[in-house]
Amino acid sequence: EIVLTQSPALMAASPGEKVTITCSVSSSISSSNLHWYQQKSETSPKPWIYGTSNLASGVPIRFSGSGSGTSYSLTISSMEAEDAATYYCQQWSTYPLTFGGGTKLEIK
Amino acid sequence: EVQLQQSGPELEKPGASVKISCKASGYSFTDYNMNWVKQSNGKSLEWIGNIDPYYGGTRYNQNFKGKATLTVDKSSSTAYMQLTSLTSEDSAVYYCARRGDFDGYYYAMDYWGQGTSVTVSS
Repeated sequence: EIVLTQSPALMAASPGEKVTITCSVSSSISSSNLHWYQQKSETSPKPWIYGTSNLASGVPIRFSGSGSGTSYSLTISSMEAEDAATYYCQQWSTYPLTFGGGTKLEIK
Repeated sequence: EVQLQQSGPELEKPGASVKISCKASGYSFTDYNMNWVKQSNGKSLEWIGNIDPYYGGTRYNQNFKGKATLTVDKSSSTAYMQLTSLTSEDSAVYYCARRGDFDGYYYAMDYWGQGTSVTVSS
């Protein structure tokens, strides 16, 4: 089983601040198989970034994704209040599909 | 518009079984695999398994073999997940999520149901 480890688990950022969330993968995967989801309280997860760096429909361009092999990241260039949520990375390289533990991002 | 409409919350006793439904609309049901995901008490997401609605083939997370059974009814475009021998560990929100193919290439879960809460309590 491929294990995804996200860091930090919890963080707070001020409006305008740059934010980076990392996802460490236990075995190297193709970047096409690493995705990110956003989940806000009491709602279903939404696809956010697919294939490491491609923004899903409607995702603001202040978001970006990068990485390869075993190390991936999601970056917000300038934090906005609406970005407060929990972000999960997920791999679709090998079954069972697995998710990271999540990063809860709060606004200061 | 693609929609996945899940059945309502369930309250079950230990040892019971429960069957959750996920009715799909807005697309050809048999063209996309359906996944099921567990989220326990605000924690992370755990993949249970998926099913190919056209052939009925299934793939399970080893952690849920014997616990979850995935089926579909093509005539009503509905996917089902049955959970058996319920314990408190099964109390969670369960989501169905379609396997989409972004840009015709990337497999990811593109549409999610609203979630079904299952509470197991005596």
